[in-house]
Amino acid sequence: AQKVTQAQTEISVVEKEDVTLDCVYETRDTTYYLFWYKQPPSGELVFLIRRNSFDEQNEISGRYSWNFQKSTSSFNFTITASQVVDSAVYFCALSEQNNAGNMLTFGGGTRLMVKP
Amino acid sequence: EPEVTQTPSHQVTQMGQEVILRCVPISNHLYFYWYRQILGQKVEFLVSFYNNEISEKSEIFDDQFSVERPDGSNFTLKIRSTKLEDSAMYFCARDGRGTGIGEQYFGPGTRLTVT
Repeated sequence: AQKVTQAQTEISVVEKEDVTLDCVYETRDTTYYLFWYKQPPSGELVFLIRRNSFDEQNEISGRYSWNFQKSTSSFNFTITASQVVDSAVYFCALSEQNNAGNMLTFGGGTRLMVKP
Repeated sequence: EPEVTQTPSHQVTQMGQEVILRCVPISNHLYFYWYRQILGQKVEFLVSFYNNEISEKSEIFDDQFSVERPDGSNFTLKIRSTKLEDSAMYFCARDGRGTGIGEQYFGPGTRLTVT
């Protein structure tokens, strides 16, 4: 069974600090996909990134970067020079290729508060 | 541009009543999903729907729930006899790549309050 754990329930930083959100997953499949979503206070779920299990290259998009490490089953998300607008709940999610319905299994989320 | 729209944005109903939540994709997609999020908790998968059939459902999706795409456009989630514990945000999502293994784009959600 697939499982996603986000051990940090809440993180508070001051603007311009860097912050890393941890995500650890469990799966028996050799092919799977990892995702990060942002849920701002308005409540919608905003897709940020998708990674394949066979592509361990780290990715950078502006102030966002993701570190995928298969050896530790982790897919961590770093925000550089955080801004108040980054305040949101961030969810890590997993889907398995062998899963017929492509269900996403979400972690419990990390609430990030960026203070000015 | 929203990926999908959902109506209503907020629904208040009494326990035991039937509710229908609607999802309208912007363009023609085949893969749809329903998730729910109880306030302050994680997002939970309910059901996936491909080519007008359920492809997978979770333990939450019991006989009280049903989905259909009656007119080939709107995608609906029906709860036959609501319970207090059905109060949650319900999200519809569509597959982003048309392959069934892509990222999912979520609608704005319907907040269901059961009293």
